[in-house]
Amino acid sequence: ETGVTQSPTHLIKTRGQQVTLRCSSQSGHNTVSWYQQALGQGPQFIFQYYREEENGRGNFPPRFSGLQFPNYSSELNVNALELDDSALYLCATGGESGNTIYFGEGSWLTVV
Amino acid sequence: GENVEQHPSTLSVQEGDSAVIKCTYSDSASNYFPWYKQELGKRPQLIIDIRSNVGEKKDQRIAVTLNKTAKHFSLHITETQPEDSAVYFCAASRAAAGNKLTFGGGTRVLVKP
Repeated sequence: ETGVTQSPTHLIKTRGQQVTLRCSSQSGHNTVSWYQQALGQGPQFIFQYYREEENGRGNFPPRFSGLQFPNYSSELNVNALELDDSALYLCATGGESGNTIYFGEGSWLTVV
Repeated sequence: GENVEQHPSTLSVQEGDSAVIKCTYSDSASNYFPWYKQELGKRPQLIIDIRSNVGEKKDQRIAVTLNKTAKHFSLHITETQPEDSAVYFCAASRAAAGNKLTFGGGTRVLVKP
């Protein structure tokens, strides 16, 4: 049990819609990152937040955005959904000062 | 940026045999190398990790070796069991980069009873 909780676990959206995914950590790590894992591939880094500021971004367009709150919970927002956005979205915490990085259970997004 | 390559992409072994998965990385500043096991429909689960100040780490049937000079690291699973069947991912990061991991492409391991 990693103590990283994500919601919702599964959702289906229509192309062009917007989606918000949520993540919380019992441990209170001040660094959170989001990953996209398409079917059959390894997770791809989307971005990272540290103390409520974006602190590193992967090769994802601006329609992928995020927030981190004072309690270190986080949101991933994706606008103008495309079919290729269908994937498992993973939240990860830890990593500060070389600490172990743990993933939440993930949110399965299907865009139709 | 960092690039991690993982081989083989699939690996079939007989129960009781050993399995070895190899990864290479490109960024000499990377100093943290975790391995994750992912079962179908589930999240990646950390099974072992190694930092650049050691060359080998072992946890029961699982071991990881690191060669910083050659920029490669390997996962060794001994006495494989059917429950070891899963997809395994290697990853690399700099400790200063927080949670930014660069993953390999994964290895699908099948342990035949």
